[in-house]
Amino acid sequence: EVQLVESGGGLGQTGGSLRLSCAVSGFDFTSFAMNWVRQAPGGGLEWVSSIIGGADGTFYADSVKGRFTMSRDKSKNTLYLQMNNLRDEDTALYYCAKGERHWYRGSFDYWGQGALVTVSS
Amino acid sequence: QSALTQPASVSGSPGQSITISCAGTSADVGAHSFVSWYQQHPGKAPKLIIYDVNNRPSGVSNRFSASQSGNTASLTISGLQAEDEADYYCISYTTRDTLIFGGGTKLTVL
Repeated sequence: EVQLVESGGGLGQTGGSLRLSCAVSGFDFTSFAMNWVRQAPGGGLEWVSSIIGGADGTFYADSVKGRFTMSRDKSKNTLYLQMNNLRDEDTALYYCAKGERHWYRGSFDYWGQGALVTVSS
Repeated sequence: QSALTQPASVSGSPGQSITISCAGTSADVGAHSFVSWYQQHPGKAPKLIIYDVNNRPSGVSNRFSASQSGNTASLTISGLQAEDEADYYCISYTTRDTLIFGGGTKLTVL
């Protein structure tokens, strides 16, 4: 059974850092694109970043480029999102999502339950 | 980059059909055949219902169909049911190797 479980959310200070984790099971997560998608309170979905399967290429939305870093630890079956220089507008529920193929085309077939990040000064 | 344009809300009665549009540009929707659609019920994670413009994942009802014409993609739900009431989002791959979501459409089943 495919499972994605996010952790690491919480309260972060403006200008500060937080790291989200996504523990995966039930599939070889190095073979599929993995993605982070966020949703601000009461708002819509926003793509944050993706890492392609079979390689370590990472891609980011303009809104987080240079501040967020996505990575994965194959030995721990865990995906990470390091978030630096946090802004108030980063406040959102962050979802980890599995791509249904090795390249990130926007088709995410499994999602975690989300990790809430609140940024405040 | 601005979000893809979706109507804020649509509504229909049980048994009817509705269509949700997703308007983009030649740099996103019109550039590839990589448009997906998601259904999201309140408090739940999104669910993939259409990928690659008009393909349904296994287990998704054939009442959901989709198409694309130029820079606009469309999702049609036929035989509306109460359980279809949810938010719907489109997403497209772009020429800049990014992904962009639509603003979302709230479907109300009357």
